Amino acid sequence: QVQLQESGPGILKPSETLSLTCQVSGFSITSGKYWGWIRQSPGKGLEWIGNVFHSGDSFSNPSLKSRVTLSADTSKNQISLRLTSVTAADTAVYFCARGADYMEVWGKGTTVIVS
Amino acid sequence: EIVMTQSPATLSVSPGESATLSCRASHDVSSNLAWYQQKPGQAPRLLIYRASTRATGVPDRFSGSGSGTEFTLTISSLQSDDFAVYFCQQYIRWPPELTFGGGTKVEI
Repeated sequence: QVQLQESGPGILKPSETLSLTCQVSGFSITSGKYWGWIRQSPGKGLEWIGNVFHSGDSFSNPSLKSRVTLSADTSKNQISLRLTSVTAADTAVYFCARGADYMEVWGKGTTVIVS
Repeated sequence: EIVMTQSPATLSVSPGESATLSCRASHDVSSNLAWYQQKPGQAPRLLIYRASTRATGVPDRFSGSGSGTEFTLTISSLQSDDFAVYFCQQYIRWPPELTFGGGTKVEI
């Protein structure tokens, strides 16, 4: 059974870089699926951040593209998100999920506070 | 950006009744539409994809319909476990873009 577990710093300061990882278990990230990041904040609801393939192929939300880097580490079976120059507007729960179009399986999410 | 608008924002129903949730896209998304259920403190759960295909394990009291810009999620014979927030999400491949609606809260 596939499980996804996000991890991150919890709290960071404005202008810092957010780094999150998503550990995937029960399924190889090389098995032909895309993996995505979505965030949820009270003010903006659910917001798609981007998707990445195990090869490194990725696509992201145009509104965040200049600040987002998505990557995959096949040796660790995990995917990562890097978001630069964070502001309070980046405060949200960040989810990783499996899928390219619709998200089939989600992690429980990790809360990120920028303050 | 394709904007997804859900209505109503809140729907009050009684157990055993049916609920009809609407989702409108600002541009034609064909059948590239998914529905999710989210309960407090949990991640969203995929219910429907391709507008009308139920995800694995989703009860058949959940049904989706529509295409283009107008979509509906119907929950028949609501059970206590169905009271939650429901989101629609469109996905178009080129340029890749995924956007979510603001959600409909189904409450008792």
